Amino acid sequence: NAGVMQNPRHLVRRRGQEARLRCSPMKGHSHVYWYRQLPEEGLKFMVYLQKENIIDESGMPKERFSAEFPKEGPSILRIQQVVRGDSAAYFCASSLSDRELAKNIQYFGAGTRLSVL
Amino acid sequence: AQKVTQAQTEISVVEKEDVTLDCVYETRDTTYYLFWYKQPPSGELVFLIRRNSFDEQNEISGRYSWNFQKSTSSFNFTITASQVVDSAVYFCALSGGDLYNFNKFYFGSGTKLNVKP
Repeated sequence: NAGVMQNPRHLVRRRGQEARLRCSPMKGHSHVYWYRQLPEEGLKFMVYLQKENIIDESGMPKERFSAEFPKEGPSILRIQQVVRGDSAAYFCASSLSDRELAKNIQYFGAGTRLSVL
Repeated sequence: AQKVTQAQTEISVVEKEDVTLDCVYETRDTTYYLFWYKQPPSGELVFLIRRNSFDEQNEISGRYSWNFQKSTSSFNFTITASQVVDSAVYFCALSGGDLYNFNKFYFGSGTKLNVKP
């Protein structure tokens, strides 16, 4: 009964390169969330996706960042032309998210630590 | 607007001491949910508890207890007889009850707990 799987755990990129972060939700979960954690800070919401749909991307920077959750395969957070300020830990979470049953506990992966040189 | 404040940045205690981590929240929603997560040095976030706004009963789970007080908008977390393994960063989080905020978690900045032997 695997939990939320994120890979890679650590990712090093040079300025201007692309970063791809992957997240496989818990079995049976169809809702995925991405959060960013800067050093010494809490997690900040970025985007909420269901299969093939972006539900809420109000926390995503307007440029260079995109996310998808295809019908098959993991969710991907893509950062194009990375800059030093993108260095952070990126966490993925998944949930059942049934509002009628009030099931909104989010289970988190171990995160991807992105370092931009 | 939703907001969570964890005023204690870092707390150090000696093993077997009791310790309380404070969490104060702001929301205009009448229905909302409060959470605590633990982030050990390995980095992953571990779910501890979820509480909805209509349930003000305090909860105890082993050495952990939570005190939810709507009158002061607080959801404090107490560890009794702390152990070295409790050393971690603890995050309090809030989600709303409406369709927009139900799946969007707002995290406090975390409290780092150091338990010394």
